[in-house]
Amino acid sequence: AQKVTQAQTEISVVEKEDVTLDCVYETRDTTYYLFWYKQPPSGELVFLIRRNSFDEQNEISGRYSWNFQKSTSSFNFTITASQVVDSAVYFCALISSTGTSGSRLTFGEGTQLTVNP
Amino acid sequence: GAVVSQHPSWVICKSGTSVKIECRSLDFQATTMFWYRQFPKQSLMLMATSNEGSKATYEQGVEKDKFLINHASLTLSTLTVTSAHPEDSSFYICSASLSAYSPLHFGNGTRLTVT
Repeated sequence: AQKVTQAQTEISVVEKEDVTLDCVYETRDTTYYLFWYKQPPSGELVFLIRRNSFDEQNEISGRYSWNFQKSTSSFNFTITASQVVDSAVYFCALISSTGTSGSRLTFGEGTQLTVNP
Repeated sequence: GAVVSQHPSWVICKSGTSVKIECRSLDFQATTMFWYRQFPKQSLMLMATSNEGSKATYEQGVEKDKFLINHASLTLSTLTVTSAHPEDSSFYICSASLSAYSPLHFGNGTRLTVT
């Protein structure tokens, strides 16, 4: 079985603050992929990043950065100098099975981030 | 990049009627598409896996006779909510990927309201 836990249900910050969204996952597979998606109020899901289980290098993309640590089964997401447009629900997700299931994602519960001006 | 189009964006229907939602992969062929359901302030729940040319695989607890899925071509999957009831009101999202482990690309979702 696989599971993704996002313990922070809601986070509220003031613009320009840094914020970290936590994600902890469980899987018995050695090969798996982790994802982050953003869901703004309009509802669509926007892909942010994919990381495979063999690549623990941290990644930075503009104001976004991700910290993947297999030792703690965590894949945390940090937004630097947050902006109001970052307000959204962020989902962490995991794929760890193939075959007929294909890209069957397991989602965390999501973290509602509100950035106040 | 890969684009998934979902139609309609929103629909209001009367209780007892059926509603069809379309999901199209616009610039790639998707042998597998996925249908999710999302209640307000909740996560996405996988309803079924839609396989081109074969029957859909439903998750436990999802009524296959109520949520009919057809994947007639490599670019189109449809979800029909039959005999809709107010409790079926929800946000339905489809997704597709180029291959296993590839990022899933999501449609914009369909907000269904059953009155």
